[in-house]
Amino acid sequence: NAGVTQTPKFQVLKTGQSMTLQCAQDMNHEYMSWYRQDPGMGLRLIHYSVGAGITDQGEVPNGYNVSRSTTEDFPLRLLSAAPSQTSVYFCASRPTGQGEGYGYTFGSGTRLTVV
Amino acid sequence: AQRVTQPEKLLSVFKGAPVELKCNYSYSGSPELFWYVQYSRQRLQLLLRHISRESIKGFTADLNKGETSFHLKKPFAQEEDSAMYYCALGTRRKLIFGQGTELSVKP
Repeated sequence: NAGVTQTPKFQVLKTGQSMTLQCAQDMNHEYMSWYRQDPGMGLRLIHYSVGAGITDQGEVPNGYNVSRSTTEDFPLRLLSAAPSQTSVYFCASRPTGQGEGYGYTFGSGTRLTVV
Repeated sequence: AQRVTQPEKLLSVFKGAPVELKCNYSYSGSPELFWYVQYSRQRLQLLLRHISRESIKGFTADLNKGETSFHLKKPFAQEEDSAMYYCALGTRRKLIFGQGTELSVKP
């Protein structure tokens, strides 16, 4: 049982490049979400999904795209990387039927630098 | 508006001193509040949730609906408590975090 796995752990991109941050969970959690963590701003929700085929925007969705074709995977795509997207990205999941904040499992994060 | 405010970016105390990390929230419904901890570049871990009224690692937090606060307290800080602490508000489908407070416990 690996929990929530994020890859890669580190990434450097050039401005304008695109890439996909991977997130996979093996707990059969229906709810998955992506956050970015920036100094002094806490964690801000980018996108979330309540199940396969269903996604919705969070607080800071611009410049990011998501899809949820399976329960296990929730990739985050940067369409055209910008320096403002330099951040640490966390994926989190939880089973449905529990309240917000109950049983959230976080990944170890992806540290992204855009130059 | 749904918001969580942690007014202190950094809180520095000596070992054995009491600690209080402040958290205020804004939410029109019945709040679900939590404290998460992040040790040096590790993943976030759930520390406390108000509904369970439990004490973890000596930390407690009481929900005060009148003052819309959920402050985290510990009577005697330990060096291993040094970490980032995030207060979070659970709403429908979302978990909203505060800005975080870095706790530094000096020997």
